Amino acid sequence: GAVVSQHPSRVICKSGTSVKIECRSLDFQATTMFWYRQFPKQSLMLMATSNEGSKATYEQGVEKDKFLINHASLTLSTLTVTSAHPEDSSFYICSAKSPPRGQETQYFGPGTRLLVL
Amino acid sequence: SQKIEQNSEALNIQEGKTATLTCNYTNYSPAYLQWYRQDPGRGPVFLLLIRENEKEKRKERLKVTFDTTLKQSLFHITASQPADSATYLCALESTGGGNKLTFGTGTQLKVEL
Repeated sequence: GAVVSQHPSRVICKSGTSVKIECRSLDFQATTMFWYRQFPKQSLMLMATSNEGSKATYEQGVEKDKFLINHASLTLSTLTVTSAHPEDSSFYICSAKSPPRGQETQYFGPGTRLLVL
Repeated sequence: SQKIEQNSEALNIQEGKTATLTCNYTNYSPAYLQWYRQDPGRGPVFLLLIRENEKEKRKERLKVTFDTTLKQSLFHITASQPADSATYLCALESTGGGNKLTFGTGTQLKVEL
């Protein structure tokens, strides 16, 4: 149980294009999902908290107009990187809380590797 | 400022030995601390959570201790195996609450035959 999927697993795009990444909780409903970014040999950095049915809460320094988050249902959150640039190349990981298993634990997706040329 | 520090150098140990990883934190008053495992190119996998009122927690070959006076958690893997090779991350709830996590940089463990 508590499986989180992400799609796509890898994406290569040209500079200036937009890329959408999906995060799904497969066997539970997630009222809250989190989006992280991880650069090589660095830790996960929280970008935003995604709440179903409401606007996402962004961390300081994260541009909300560049990283659009939509939590359309209890099992799906999407992150759209708009007008992507090479510096946006990174590993994007989502997570979801699974209430039946305790509020504190987050279950992570397998990540999406984005490369912007 | 708040910091979560893990040994950035890789830890190499021989199969069968006990691996001990350290997580130190400053300017946090965590109610709990979590440990995750991350394999290359994959998302983290939850391992253990220990609360502030717990000194020790075990799960199979894993043991975690939590010393809120020293502001330190130790993560032990006993009878280590090559399959245990991965990066291990500790995480604390961010001060803003809301179950947001702040992660340490992780320690890479390599278990050699």
